[in-house]
Amino acid sequence: GAGVSQSPSNKVTEKGKDVELRCDPISGHTALYWYRQRLGQGLEFLIYFQGNSAPDKSGLPSDRFSAERTGESVSTLTIQRTQQEDSAVYLCASSLVDIRGYTFGSGTRLTVV
Amino acid sequence: AQSVTQLGSHVSVSEGALVLLRCNYSSSVPPYLFWYVQYPNQGLQLLLKYTSAATLVKGINGFEAEFKKSETSFHLTKPSAHMSDAAEYFCAVSDKDDKIIFGKGTRLHILP
Repeated sequence: GAGVSQSPSNKVTEKGKDVELRCDPISGHTALYWYRQRLGQGLEFLIYFQGNSAPDKSGLPSDRFSAERTGESVSTLTIQRTQQEDSAVYLCASSLVDIRGYTFGSGTRLTVV
Repeated sequence: AQSVTQLGSHVSVSEGALVLLRCNYSSSVPPYLFWYVQYPNQGLQLLLKYTSAATLVKGINGFEAEFKKSETSFHLTKPSAHMSDAAEYFCAVSDKDDKIIFGKGTRLHILP
């Protein structure tokens, strides 16, 4: 597609429920990243996929967070047993590894009530 | 490990005045440096990037940034602020592994 697409754009969930966030990267972009942006704060790196290499999961805040990517296509970020502190905008970005600078999606605003 | 420090979480300038947003970085290898802008209720947009070519980098909307290795800085400037420049600006750094680390952001307010 023309840009990075994220769905849903907004998600309200009850504490303790699981949620899945989806990211469709730009076609041909081998690298895909997930970031979290809490209200009034900067971007917090979560996870990075590059082609078929093992993902860099160093930013995942707890074992409740996981992400998958099939090949060089769609990625899903899953948060299990959501907590109120998980409320944030979750941003996905993709890039070509030899062209520095990501293209971001519009994000998914997650609210845990 | 690389890191970025943005001085000032909020900056206010008058319309028509110089915009200066400060960014200092730390990196163990020659860095790639970026400025991103986030307009209200929108995603992040790449403003400009430094990738070891010219030290003065020109971006969109009249913004530019200068890489100064001796000062480990990459400050963002614009000669004349416009109301439409009101947004949050993020400085970021990446090194060889392509993972980008962002600063905490500076919210730019434009005063009429």
